[in-house]
Amino acid sequence: RKEVEQDPGPFNVPEGATVAFNCTYSNSASQSFFWYRQDCRKEPKLLMSVYSSGNEDGRFTAQLNRASQYISLLIRDSKLSDSATYLCVVNTWNNDMRFGAGTRLTVKP
Amino acid sequence: NAGVTQTPKFQVLKTGQSMTLQCAQDMNHEYMSWYRQDPGMGLRLIHYSVGAGITDQGEVPNGYNVSRSTTEDFPLRLLSAAPSQTSVYFCASSRGGRGDTDTQYFGPGTRLTVL
Repeated sequence: RKEVEQDPGPFNVPEGATVAFNCTYSNSASQSFFWYRQDCRKEPKLLMSVYSSGNEDGRFTAQLNRASQYISLLIRDSKLSDSATYLCVVNTWNNDMRFGAGTRLTVKP
Repeated sequence: NAGVTQTPKFQVLKTGQSMTLQCAQDMNHEYMSWYRQDPGMGLRLIHYSVGAGITDQGEVPNGYNVSRSTTEDFPLRLLSAAPSQTSVYFCASSRGGRGDTDTQYFGPGTRLTVL
């Protein structure tokens, strides 16, 4: 079983749609959680950190459920520029960062 | 600031050849790391360094060596290239060390093919 699992997609949605990505992790000792965005043939870039209380950044909302070892990312009012692969990242106490394989999103006009 | 730079961008090797992937950062970050990314898999940590003179193994270290003689540079050496090492390699740096929640900044990647 992979330590960080994501639905690979692809998710194909129209502009303006709301889309949700899910991620589960297996190591209960995990300390910090992130969503990274990776454009085609580019490097990953931090989208947002994920906090236990949930956090929002504009159209993006991230949630963490430690009891279920589950992380989510919600994108509202999707834009064409949101098309990318979204990586779920989990960091254990010793800075051992584990990446999910990513969920690919395509937003269409 | 250039951020994290990597060279070369592309490389083709024959089985058994050795080479060094270069990585440099100008943000005075203590923590640097190397990942490989393969289709259908997440980025996997190869080696990392928490400061000059200190390196440690990650999840998939076999076949790779690293050194950290300066804060800025963290080269990755392939000792004897194998087709299984065909991948995209990313170098990353961050301000913090173990357990830190700081953002990791990634270089643009090196696409390596081993024939």
